[in-house]
Amino acid sequence: SQQGEEDPQALSIQEGENATMNCSYKTSINNLQWYRQNSGRGLVHLILIRSNEREKHSGRLRVTLDTSKKSSSLLITASRAADTASYFCATAPYNTDKLIFGTGTRLQVFP
Amino acid sequence: DGGITQSPKYLFRKEGQNVTLSCEQNLNHDAMYWYRQDPGQGLRLIYYSQIVNDFQKGDIAEGYSVSREKKESFPLTVTSAQKNPTAFYLCASSIGTGGRGYNEQFFGPGTRLTVL
Repeated sequence: SQQGEEDPQALSIQEGENATMNCSYKTSINNLQWYRQNSGRGLVHLILIRSNEREKHSGRLRVTLDTSKKSSSLLITASRAADTASYFCATAPYNTDKLIFGTGTRLQVFP
Repeated sequence: DGGITQSPKYLFRKEGQNVTLSCEQNLNHDAMYWYRQDPGQGLRLIYYSQIVNDFQKGDIAEGYSVSREKKESFPLTVTSAQKNPTAFYLCASSIGTGGRGYNEQFFGPGTRLTVL
């Protein structure tokens, strides 16, 4: 069963704008991760935020986590055409090495 | 050059045939995973293995089988019992932490299977 649901399903923006994607989940987690997938390729890990963290940064990426609302957001600042991809959140339930992936947000950045 | 490889990249199969997808990693990871991805969808877990000679069913294991005889290899067989096998198959590995959840996963490039 898929635990993560992402919003929006698709997002189109111009280069230089910020892109925000949201993820909601259902049960308690150890951590939440964000991955990127270019069309027809494998996924690439972007960032991991643990359940006791509220915000994390990596370059142009900013992730927030609100465990009381069971939600997370991924912000990509100053977007580039090369950021065009699908972005997935994945939650890690306690006491397991499994990840539960969301349905993804397709981001299109126009030059 | 460390990483995770999958072969072949594209695979065509006739109905009623079994087919095996290869997944190899040289990252010295204990845990390996197989996912299925359908167009416009997220990933669904087929099987996973946390250690050699052991594996567990994921959410959609019916019609699939795996083996984990070596740490580096986790082949997936799509059997004729899988009713709708056309999909993109992704293999991943992680360090594996015995269930503590610190498990960033590294993905292979995927195999696109088409049943004719």
